[in-house]
Amino acid sequence: SQQGEEDPQALSIQEGENATMNCSYKTSINNLQWYRQNSGRGLVHLILIRSNEREKHSGRLRVTLDTSKKSSSLLITASRAADTASYFCATVAPYSGNTPLVFGKGTRLSVIA
Amino acid sequence: DAGVTQSPTHLIKTRGQQVTLRCSPKSGHDTVSWYQQALGQGPQFIFQYYEEEERQRGNFPDRFSGHQFPNYSSELNVNALLLGDSALYLCASSFRGGAGDIQYFGAGTRLSVL
Repeated sequence: SQQGEEDPQALSIQEGENATMNCSYKTSINNLQWYRQNSGRGLVHLILIRSNEREKHSGRLRVTLDTSKKSSSLLITASRAADTASYFCATVAPYSGNTPLVFGKGTRLSVIA
Repeated sequence: DAGVTQSPTHLIKTRGQQVTLRCSPKSGHDTVSWYQQALGQGPQFIFQYYEEEERQRGNFPDRFSGHQFPNYSSELNVNALLLGDSALYLCASSFRGGAGDIQYFGAGTRLSVL
């Protein structure tokens, strides 16, 4: 079963604009991660935020986490055509040691040049 | 440093057949997880192997089985294929003792069942 629900399901923006994707989840987490998938191939890890963190940055990426609302957002600033992909949030239950990832259904981002 | 490699890239099978997918983890990783991703959906966890044993399993029937070898590589076997087994099968590796639970994914095997 899916843990997270990304919103929106699809997003289309112009190059240079910012893209915001949201993720809601249902149960307690150890951490929440965002992955990118190009053209239905393998997933690439983007960023991890732990349950005791509220915000994290990595390059053009900014992730926030609100555990009281069980939600997270991913912001991509100054988007590029190469950012066109599907983005998934994935949660890890509150036990460490390679607990499996539980993914949402993803947001399909299209960046138009 | 090779990342996670999966083979084959594509497979076409018919209903009732059996299939074996293969995965070599990233160098230094000892844990392999398998995920099934249906079209338009997020990946779903099938099972995880560590020390050549299945350690955790998702909500998949016994038709799905696996194996891990001493060199940490892994196989996913699916018996009595159904049309609904058509999907992208992803292998992910990680280091059990590592922090962060970050998993590294292969490019996947796309299985089509006709």
